[in-house]
Amino acid sequence: DADVTQTPRNRITKTGKRIMLECSQTKGHDRMYWYRQDPGLGLRLIYYSFDVKDINKGEISDGYSVSRQAQAKFSLSLESAIPNQTALYFCATSDAGQGAGETQYFGPGTRLLVL
Amino acid sequence: GQSLEQPSEVTAVEGAIVQINCTYQTSGFYGLSWYQQHDGGAPTFLSYNALDGLEETGRFSSFLSRSDSYGYLLLQELQMKDSASYFCAVRDDKIIFGKGTRLHILP
Repeated sequence: DADVTQTPRNRITKTGKRIMLECSQTKGHDRMYWYRQDPGLGLRLIYYSFDVKDINKGEISDGYSVSRQAQAKFSLSLESAIPNQTALYFCATSDAGQGAGETQYFGPGTRLLVL
Repeated sequence: GQSLEQPSEVTAVEGAIVQINCTYQTSGFYGLSWYQQHDGGAPTFLSYNALDGLEETGRFSSFLSRSDSYGYLLLQELQMKDSASYFCAVRDDKIIFGKGTRLHILP
């Protein structure tokens, strides 16, 4: 079984709809991240969480919200989807603290199309 | 602001050596990482440098010069399966990724 899973893997929605992308991990990591990937723009950080009660905005948080329901679960919501949120979304986890090396483990991605 | 610069594309021949450079400008720095991503796949971790110098892992090596805010990934004995995108990433209080370098390998 995969250590980091994302659901759904693919989603088509319409402008204005609310959608939720879910991420679960079995690695026991405290840190979880949501990224979006667009062609030529690399990975851009949306939100990150260092533990269950910690939520931090990333580079491009506008239009998104997150919920850290448990150590193993981190959900990303688009309150009112718009076409420029069409992208590939990745969840990632890591276990390193400040000053240490940090390996990120990525889920398989969710491909989202907003019409 | 914070930025990482790497070439958008690099082309090399199977069996050869290729170097992918990364320069960074960030407010903090704990280390430089490299990730590989094949088409349709997720990024996977390749290497991490916290100190100056060269780290070697099989056919892949990664170098860091903190004084120059510069690092590179060196791939030796290139194989067709190395065709992928490669991202450098800086560890600040969070991870910041470069835009990626697409590596094309010619037979």
